[in-house]
Amino acid sequence: QVQLVESGGGVVQPGRSLRLSCVASGFIFSNYAVHWVRQAPGKGLEWVASISYDGGNKYYADSVKGRFTISRDNSKITVYLQMNSLRAEDTALYYCARGGGWYFFDHWGQGALVTVSS
Amino acid sequence: QSALTQPPSASGSPGQSVTISCTGTSSDVDDYNYVSWYQQHPGKAPKLMIYEVTKRPSGVPDRFSGSKSGNTASLTVSGLQAEDEADYYCTSYAGTNNYVFGTGTKVTVL
Repeated sequence: QVQLVESGGGVVQPGRSLRLSCVASGFIFSNYAVHWVRQAPGKGLEWVASISYDGGNKYYADSVKGRFTISRDNSKITVYLQMNSLRAEDTALYYCARGGGWYFFDHWGQGALVTVSS
Repeated sequence: QSALTQPPSASGSPGQSVTISCTGTSSDVDDYNYVSWYQQHPGKAPKLMIYEVTKRPSGVPDRFSGSKSGNTASLTVSGLQAEDEADYYCTSYAGTNNYVFGTGTKVTVL
């Protein structure tokens, strides 16, 4: 079955960096786009970034543009989210999600918690 | 991009129907037939319930249905069951490879 497992979360000081990973299984990874979506504690969902099946196209929410970088290694069936210059408002549970088509998210991981605090 | 507007809460008795609205703008919901809906139980990851306004993934009960009129999309849950109690989020493609989520609705089964 389709599975996505995030890792790399933790507590980090403002201004520092963190890299999340999302390892996939149960499907042909190189055929699908992958997205990152986050959820601040007690809040709603917010789209963060997307990457096309081959890594050739990458898109970001305005709130993270210039600070976050999405990438993928299809040989390692993994998508990454490099987060730099972290702010308190980046504190959230970060989910990776498979793109069922380009316009929706059909399978989700369990999330990686990122806490930005001094 | 502002979040899509959903009512904070909705409720119904078992067997009844509940409809959740999702209001956007001419730049998202009204402009694209790419509205999807997600169910999220406490402490769990979201689950896709409806995509492309009206389509149901395999395994989602046909009690769940979606529709759209102008800049407002709707999710209807018919024949409410206890396990339908959850938070529900809509999302819409908003052009230029952006996505906007709704504010979320907590559905309570009375």
